[in-house]
Amino acid sequence: NAGVTQTPKFQVLKTGQSMTLQCAQDMNHNSMYWYRQDPGMGLRLIYYSASEGTTDKGEVPNGYNVSRLNKREFSLRLESAAPSQTSVYFCASRGGPSGNSPLHFGNGTRLTVT
Amino acid sequence: AQSVAQPEDQVNVAEGNPLTVKCTYSVSGNPYLFWYVQYPNRGLQFLLKYITGDNLVKGSYGFEAEFNKSQTSFHLKKPSALVSDSALYFCAVRDTARDSSYKLIFGSGTRLLVRP
Repeated sequence: NAGVTQTPKFQVLKTGQSMTLQCAQDMNHNSMYWYRQDPGMGLRLIYYSASEGTTDKGEVPNGYNVSRLNKREFSLRLESAAPSQTSVYFCASRGGPSGNSPLHFGNGTRLTVT
Repeated sequence: AQSVAQPEDQVNVAEGNPLTVKCTYSVSGNPYLFWYVQYPNRGLQFLLKYITGDNLVKGSYGFEAEFNKSQTSFHLKKPSALVSDSALYFCAVRDTARDSSYKLIFGSGTRLLVRP
């Protein structure tokens, strides 16, 4: 099984450009998440989708939008990239309705905004 | 506010020695606690979790963690460290706020370096 797949692996943008980070999972999980990882700050939640058709803001949603395209796919869009959005972005999914099932992570997208 | 603290940025240990990576938490209600490991250029991998029951939880790769309610801690331990255990370790707690059933709050991470 592929698990959680993220594309692209690397991306360099100029300030003001837009892009979409793609995420797909093949585990039939209901919940999906986007995190960003910055040195010394751990992982911070950007947006999440508890189930198909729903999305909610996390801790740091400003400058981002998301789409839960179907049960498998959850994309993250940067409409106008800023240097502060330079980070490593992780998509994750979770199976089951309760909060005690673990997250499954993709391998990340390393984004640099110049 | 609910939070997780990992007080050590880095832990150094010799191969074969026991290791401990510390984590303390602050949540309202009963905590759901997790440990994840991250190897270079990879996503996080689940190691173990505490939901309820026995305070000593065993997980993958020989790791275990001890839940201590009075000290609000969930330290990760391994009796004998391997060089291959060198990685970044994250503690996380489920956010128990009413509208956040599905969110995890992560600590800042602790880099474990096991020297041969």
